[in-house]
Amino acid sequence: GAGVSQSPSNKVTEKGKDVELRCDPISGHTALYWYRQSLGQGLEFLIYFQGNSAPDKSGLPSDRFSAERTGGSVSTLTIQRTQQEDSAVYLCASSPGLSGYYEQYFGPGTRLTVT
Amino acid sequence: DQQVKQNSPSLSVQEGRISILNCDYTNSMFDYFLWYKKYPAEGPTFLISISSIKDKNEDGRFTVFLNKSAKHLSLHIVPSQPGDSAVYFCAAASGGSYIPTFGRGTSLIVHP
Repeated sequence: GAGVSQSPSNKVTEKGKDVELRCDPISGHTALYWYRQSLGQGLEFLIYFQGNSAPDKSGLPSDRFSAERTGGSVSTLTIQRTQQEDSAVYLCASSPGLSGYYEQYFGPGTRLTVT
Repeated sequence: DQQVKQNSPSLSVQEGRISILNCDYTNSMFDYFLWYKKYPAEGPTFLISISSIKDKNEDGRFTVFLNKSAKHLSLHIVPSQPGDSAVYFCAAASGGSYIPTFGRGTSLIVHP
C-alpha cells in the first residue's frame, strides 16, 4: 500500500516568505507527527496529532510555526516569515493508533532552504 | 539537554563483521526503545524495538540489547552488509507519551 507522502520534496524560499508543507499519512493511521532535522542534528519533534484530540504543539519552536490536520488525514505545516535558521528537512510520520503507537512510518521529507 | 545520546557520529565496519551501535539515555521513565534506519533522501524506517521488560530482542541479523541499570542499549548487526550503510537513530519513549525522543544518529559505513 501507499506510504506516507510529502510535498513538495524540495522548497527554496526567500527569507520573510511564508511556506506550506503537506503530509499525506497512511490511510487509517490516527497519529501524525511532524519533525525537522537540521544539518548534523537529530530529529526534532514539532507537533503531534492524535485522532480528534487537541494537538500537542509543545515542540513548535516559535509562533511562526503552525500546523493543522483536516478530517483526521492530510496535514499542513505552515511557517510564516521564514528565517534562515528554518532551513532543514521537515519529516512527517504517521502511526496506526492503538497498537504500534511508537512505530512510526516516515515520509521522505521536504527539504526547505531559506535564502 | 539530550535525553537520548548516540555518542559515535560514525562507524566503519568490514562486510561480514559485526556492527555495534550504541545509545545511552538519561530519563529513567523511558520504557520503550526503537531503532530506525535512514538512507539519504529518504525518511527513517523502523528497524527493531524493545520494551523495558526485556533485555534482548532479535530479528534476523539485528539484535537490540537493553541494559536498564546502565541506561544503555545497543544494536548489533551480524553479519554486516554494504546495504546496511545508513544513519541509525535510537529513540526512546515513556508510557503515556506517544512522542519518542530521538538521538542524533550514527552513520554506519560497511565496506565491501
